[in-house]
Amino acid sequence: AQSVTQLGSHVSVSEGALVLLRCNYSSSVPPYLFWYVQYPNQGLQLLLKYTSAATLVKGINGFEAEFKKSETSFHLTKPSAHMSDAAEYFCAVTLYNQGGKLIFGQGTELSVKP
Amino acid sequence: SQTIHQWPATLVQPVGSPLSLECTVEGTSNPNLYWYRQAAGRGLQLLFYSVGIGQISSEVPQNLSASRPQDRQFILSSKKLLLSDSGFYLCAWSAPPGGLNYGYTFGSGTRLTVV
Repeated sequence: AQSVTQLGSHVSVSEGALVLLRCNYSSSVPPYLFWYVQYPNQGLQLLLKYTSAATLVKGINGFEAEFKKSETSFHLTKPSAHMSDAAEYFCAVTLYNQGGKLIFGQGTELSVKP
Repeated sequence: SQTIHQWPATLVQPVGSPLSLECTVEGTSNPNLYWYRQAAGRGLQLLFYSVGIGQISSEVPQNLSASRPQDRQFILSSKKLLLSDSGFYLCAWSAPPGGLNYGYTFGSGTRLTVV
């Protein structure tokens, strides 16, 4: 069965610093991969997704992620953090041959210090 | 365009009372539908998913049930709520897997507090 592991439940960066949120997946077949953001007391907003096209995926708000099959990773990055980036981030995976179930990682809370 | 509606936004219910949360999708047909729960300070757990009318798959044994009486309607229910049912419930839909536009859209959520 597929699963997703997000390394680090809490990440703190300074404003203007690089943001790196780690996500590794396990899957025996090519996956679809997603990053979502959740602001306090709100639903989920899609940041970006990988659906077997380009391995470097650009999303909203300056975020991007690179699919690395050899490392089974899909890490999320942003060159320069902004205070408004403080939120919970979820990596998720789904498989084409399992009815489209979306399985989430445990989430990483990003704090941005002024 | 496709939209997803979920209600109510917040709900406070006593232990032992019944529950009914409703989710509807507009602008698409034959969507895959999902119910997720997010307990306080934790990740999202898939509770149920449905690939068609009357077709419900349960991911974890629990005090809840789901039904899909119409193509674009998904209902989460309980006969008797437990304190542990408290959490943030999210409904989502997706097209069947495949294609570059494949993705999931989430509702705005229902925050349930069982007291």
